[in-house]
Amino acid sequence: GQNIDQPTEMTATEGAIVQINCTYQTSGFNGLFWYQQHAGEAPTFLSYNVLDGLEEKGRFSSFLSRSKGYSYLLLKELQMKDSASYLCAYHTGGFKTIFGAGTRLFVKA
Amino acid sequence: EAGVVQSPRYKIIEKKQPVAFWCNPISGHNTLYWYRQNLGQGPELLIRYENEEAVDDSQLPKDRFSAERLKGVDSTLKIQPAELGDSAVYLCASSATGGEDTQYFGPGTRLTVL
Repeated sequence: GQNIDQPTEMTATEGAIVQINCTYQTSGFNGLFWYQQHAGEAPTFLSYNVLDGLEEKGRFSSFLSRSKGYSYLLLKELQMKDSASYLCAYHTGGFKTIFGAGTRLFVKA
Repeated sequence: EAGVVQSPRYKIIEKKQPVAFWCNPISGHNTLYWYRQNLGQGPELLIRYENEEAVDDSQLPKDRFSAERLKGVDSTLKIQPAELGDSAVYLCASSATGGEDTQYFGPGTRLTVL
């Protein structure tokens, strides 16, 4: 029973832009992580948002609204190698990170 | 710099058998985590260590699972006896501290219990 929600699957076209949304409900919140996980591999860190707003890092950007309990990951100029699961996770005040189930992104040619 | 190392990568056992997983964190990282990831789900924390002390083991099924980090570096997670429902990927992660530091994950051990 995780109180963090993200779409199960998304499909997008190579070269396009895709936005993966994440909503959460928690009483303790320090910040929000996004991780990328290719099939059969370990999650790798993409971003960590503490303050409201958009943070850009190359082709990837992450947005946070603390008041709305909402975040999104924006992927631009999609490449085939971006096909992976994207995990949203919030960090509580108790040194705990709670992960969502992940969004599987399929990038098609 | 070497990342988090885990072994074995794959393990197939019959139910009721014991199994152990090993993790070597990134050098200098004080905090070590064991997670379980079921297919199509996100990682769920089993236990967190600060140096050699287990500071959060609330989600560890203590009737059959045990873990240790004797010298505050390597860690072992054990299941005895294994059940069918234990089939999952067991991920080890480490971070510099237990706060908001980024967690770096190992490749995981994929356990199949028959």
